[in-house]
Amino acid sequence: KQEVTQIPAALSVPEGENLVLNCSFTDSAIYNLQWFRQDPGKGLTSLLLIQSSQREQTSGRLNASLDKSSGRSTLYIAASQPGDSATYLCAPGANNLFFGTGTRLTVIP
Amino acid sequence: SAVISQKPSRDICQRGTSLTIQCQVDSQVTMMFWYRQQPGQSLTLIATANQGSEATYESGFVIDKFPISRPNLTFSTLTVSNMSPEDSSIYLCSVEGEVRLETQYFGPGTRLLVL
Repeated sequence: KQEVTQIPAALSVPEGENLVLNCSFTDSAIYNLQWFRQDPGKGLTSLLLIQSSQREQTSGRLNASLDKSSGRSTLYIAASQPGDSATYLCAPGANNLFFGTGTRLTVIP
Repeated sequence: SAVISQKPSRDICQRGTSLTIQCQVDSQVTMMFWYRQQPGQSLTLIATANQGSEATYESGFVIDKFPISRPNLTFSTLTVSNMSPEDSSIYLCSVEGEVRLETQYFGPGTRLLVL
């Protein structure tokens, strides 16, 4: 069964800093990997989807990389803002999505 | 993209009762998914619901406890039966994009507290 680990579990940074969130997974037989954002009391918002054949995807200030063979993905957030404060979830996907426990990010104004 | 709504958004229930959660999508979708997120935990898939067939349950989840209906391509319900405090969780439904294995879209979730 796929196991997903996200490090760090929590992160607090001052506004404007660049930061990296890490995700590792045990089964490399995946079709894609998604990064989601979860805000308190709300559902999940998909941020980026990387197909298994891709190495990275970019959307605005977000850049996600995927090293399928080593079972790792990173989410890079540039010039962080208070509005980025949320829990970020990594989800490698095969027939189903398997979620990590997330990184709770707080960006301090 | 798909817009998903869930009802109720939250509820407080007594032990031993059942609650049915509704999930409505603004477009026709083949597969719908139900997840559970227990306090402090990540999301765990409960079952996959296809229209016109029985839901497929993941290990650790059974139909008697979590019966699912999928009467058409835009709607599904999940019932949490004979509830106990351990069922206190957020329950989320999701759908795939138009292309298989594309981005999944999630509803806002139903926050359930069982006393």
